[in-house]
Amino acid sequence: DVKVTQSSRYLVKRTGEKVFLECVQDMDHENMFWYRQDPGLGLRLIYFSYDVKMKEKGDIPEGYSVSREKKERFSLILESASTNQTSMYLCAGRDLTSHEQFFGPGTRLTVL
Amino acid sequence: QKEVEQNSGPLSVPEGAIASLNCTYSDRGSQSFFWYRQYSGKSPELIMFIYSNGDKEDGRFTAQLNKASQYVSLLIRDSQPSDSATYLCAVNEGGNYQLIWGAGTKLIIKP
Repeated sequence: DVKVTQSSRYLVKRTGEKVFLECVQDMDHENMFWYRQDPGLGLRLIYFSYDVKMKEKGDIPEGYSVSREKKERFSLILESASTNQTSMYLCAGRDLTSHEQFFGPGTRLTVL
Repeated sequence: QKEVEQNSGPLSVPEGAIASLNCTYSDRGSQSFFWYRQYSGKSPELIMFIYSNGDKEDGRFTAQLNKASQYVSLLIRDSQPSDSATYLCAVNEGGNYQLIWGAGTKLIIKP
């Protein structure tokens, strides 16, 4: 199984700050994804990466960017945090054979 | 717009009964189907996946797939209070990196 870890479980930031959310998975050649989850809206895809230095926009990329310099690490960047980016952020790795996605524990971000 | 639809619930089921969770999807090209369970404040975890029409059983869980009707369901037999969670349905098109997610059904098992 893919094991996915995220750098913080809880994070509080101020409006306008630059925020980095880190995600690490322990399998090579895995696709990686960043979602946010809000009550009543389900999982919404922000960005995904299918290989090192490769990235694709998801459904809601505005206000976010990503970095994948190494296969095991996929970072989500909030360039200038805003209160509407308060949410649960979930990182996932994907098994290439089964298409199953394995999730990290999540980061609950609050922007004040 | 490709969609996966679930009843948001909550679905309330007595302990020991069968819980039936349903999901419909719009894309006939979908090939892989997943059920995830998510406890409050936690991340989703895979319960079952199914690729072929028919039933797939794993312990108290049975996934059912009907591609002609574009319908996938999850049955939980002998429901336990620990089954209380939100259940997410996800669908993958062949060759696509992404999963398309339903919004989830909240299940409550009453002792």
